[in-house]
Amino acid sequence: DTGVSQNPRHKITKRGQNVTFRCDPISEHNRLYWYRQTLGQGPEFLTYFQNEAQLEKSRLLSDRFSAERPKGSFSTLEIQRTEQGDSAMYLCASSPRVGSDGELFFGEGSRLTVL
Amino acid sequence: GDSVTQMEGPVTLSEEAFLTINCTYTATGYPSLFWYVQYPGEGLQLLLKATKADDKGSNKGFEATYRKETTSFHLEKGSVQVSDSAVYFCASRETSYDKVIFGPGTSLSVIP
Repeated sequence: DTGVSQNPRHKITKRGQNVTFRCDPISEHNRLYWYRQTLGQGPEFLTYFQNEAQLEKSRLLSDRFSAERPKGSFSTLEIQRTEQGDSAMYLCASSPRVGSDGELFFGEGSRLTVL
Repeated sequence: GDSVTQMEGPVTLSEEAFLTINCTYTATGYPSLFWYVQYPGEGLQLLLKATKADDKGSNKGFEATYRKETTSFHLEKGSVQVSDSAVYFCASRETSYDKVIFGPGTSLSVIP
């Protein structure tokens, strides 16, 4: 089965370091989403792509965060100069083409711990 | 902007009890509505959905009806099982932006 795959699953880093997460969506899904989830909270929208185009980025997202989807397939989420407040689970989800019901298919997430 | 509100947990029920988890939404248009579930140690997965007013979504004994007049999408199950213990998230998909917004989640524990 080719579900949504995220790597690495866990990342521990020191404050100030850069980290990058990768997401491989379900093939043929042209929409890809990034969310952040902290303990006891729902997923918080970060950004999403349709193919390679980044259509929206949350206003809550600082300039330290950047996401790419260069060929409309996999995506990367980079966090520069990490802060302790960045510690969270980063979720990736994909969805079929426009016109579907909007169901999201989630990966298992990448957990970031900033020391 | 659009938002989703749901009842706070945690909710603890005995097996075979009736479950209701309230969810209300705000939206400028007519969003699609979803319930997602996150079992311990697993990723989020879709439980059920409804795409227009008065639609009823159902799955695994759970049901939710899209009520436009009360902007609600309450989740119900007539008889919960221990295996239903999980966190439940209500979500809406904005009609104009195709962005999915989640509520804060409600943790459910079912005890034998």
